[in-house]
Amino acid sequence: EIVLTQSPGTLSLSPGERATLSCRASQSVSNNYLAWYQQKPGQAPRLLIHGASSRATGIPDRFSGSGSGTDFTLTISRLEPEDFAVYYCQQYGSSQIFGQGTNLEIK
Amino acid sequence: VQVVESGGGLVQPGGSLRLPCVVSGFRFTDFWMTWVRQAPGKGLEWVAKINTDGSGKYYVDSVKGRFTISRDNSKNSVFLDMNSLRAEDTAVYYCARENWAIDYWGQGTLVTVSS
Repeated sequence: EIVLTQSPGTLSLSPGERATLSCRASQSVSNNYLAWYQQKPGQAPRLLIHGASSRATGIPDRFSGSGSGTDFTLTISRLEPEDFAVYYCQQYGSSQIFGQGTNLEIK
Repeated sequence: VQVVESGGGLVQPGGSLRLPCVVSGFRFTDFWMTWVRQAPGKGLEWVAKINTDGSGKYYVDSVKGRFTISRDNSKNSVFLDMNSLRAEDTAVYYCARENWAIDYWGQGTLVTVSS
């Protein structure tokens, strides 16, 4: 079974800065079935990226996903105050596996 | 699109609970449905999913034999029947639509297993 490892565990940045979040898989993710979600306290997760690099409906273009195989990245080009949250990667398809999350906090 | 779970609450270890989920705003029969849980202060864990006609059901190993997912396409509803509940099943349970990735989520219902 695939294991997804996210890094860093916590990322402290200021509004306006660039955020780079990593998701590494223990084996290749087939068909790049890799998604990213944002979760704020007390809320359900929200889909940001699917297929490793496709933005979900209504997601601002400051969010971008990249990568293939075992290494994937979520980049937020210029952080807005509302972007500070926990981010999860997920492999979907035949199995559903989540990474442990990265907490993006205000510095 | 709306996804609304209910049925959570406090249950004793070894007890049972049924979580209903009602959806609207899309053609229910076109989509797989899934349950994801989140223990307090922890990350997301996929629990179970069901295909469009209910003939295919899949579970995380930790709930196999204890939880059953089902759906009623005439009522736009999906259910999670949970038996032999354990303290480690305590979590917020989210019902969600699968469109390959999980694109619509309910707000969750809290299940607490404690004596």
